[in-house]
Amino acid sequence: DAKTTQPNSMESNEEEPVHLPCNHSTISGTDYIHWYRQLPSQGPEYVIHGLTSNVNNRMASLAIAEDRKSSTLILHRATLRDAAVYYCIFTTQNFVFGPGTRLSVLP
Amino acid sequence: EAQVTQNPRYLITVTGKKLTVTCSQNMNHEYMSWYRQDPGLGLRQIYYSMNVEVTDKGDVPEGYKVSRKEKRNFPLILESPSPNQTSLYFCASRSGTVNSPLHFGNGTRLTVT
Repeated sequence: DAKTTQPNSMESNEEEPVHLPCNHSTISGTDYIHWYRQLPSQGPEYVIHGLTSNVNNRMASLAIAEDRKSSTLILHRATLRDAAVYYCIFTTQNFVFGPGTRLSVLP
Repeated sequence: EAQVTQNPRYLITVTGKKLTVTCSQNMNHEYMSWYRQDPGLGLRQIYYSMNVEVTDKGDVPEGYKVSRKEKRNFPLILESPSPNQTSLYFCASRSGTVNSPLHFGNGTRLTVT
């Protein structure tokens, strides 16, 4: 199974950047790194994904280490609405989720 | 609108009474999967399907069945539900393209008494 390691919880202040780390030391060369988040009382939603290069979209940025054994999801300015559980997974086919990181955003 | 639809949203049943939770997607996706979510345990995969008539066990398949007779539907069947299957269930789908993201349904909260 594809396993990742993330901190159980993190805290951030509103309007400040947040860096959510993920270790995926068993990743293979063809596995993509995906990030999802789950807001309270909702199903998970896609955030971003990448293979080797850093990626940006309207929601976040994804920084991938050169050896691909770790990555960081960057929320440039955290808002209260970003409080959620963030999941990092790597996969070519099947999607197996870990416990994720619960992000709290303080006003 | 592209979506994954689960029904019902809430279900309360008794031990041993067979039930089916339906999942349908309108995006012509090859891959579909079922997850259960329990406090402190995150999302655990029950079964997944890479395409029609192809299903595989996830991490926690015991007590569940699935079928994939047509591309759009992936029902989750509990032949004899037990209280330890009380949980929040999510269905998800994605296309066969290797880097395509998962789309999740809104969840089904099941209570077995």
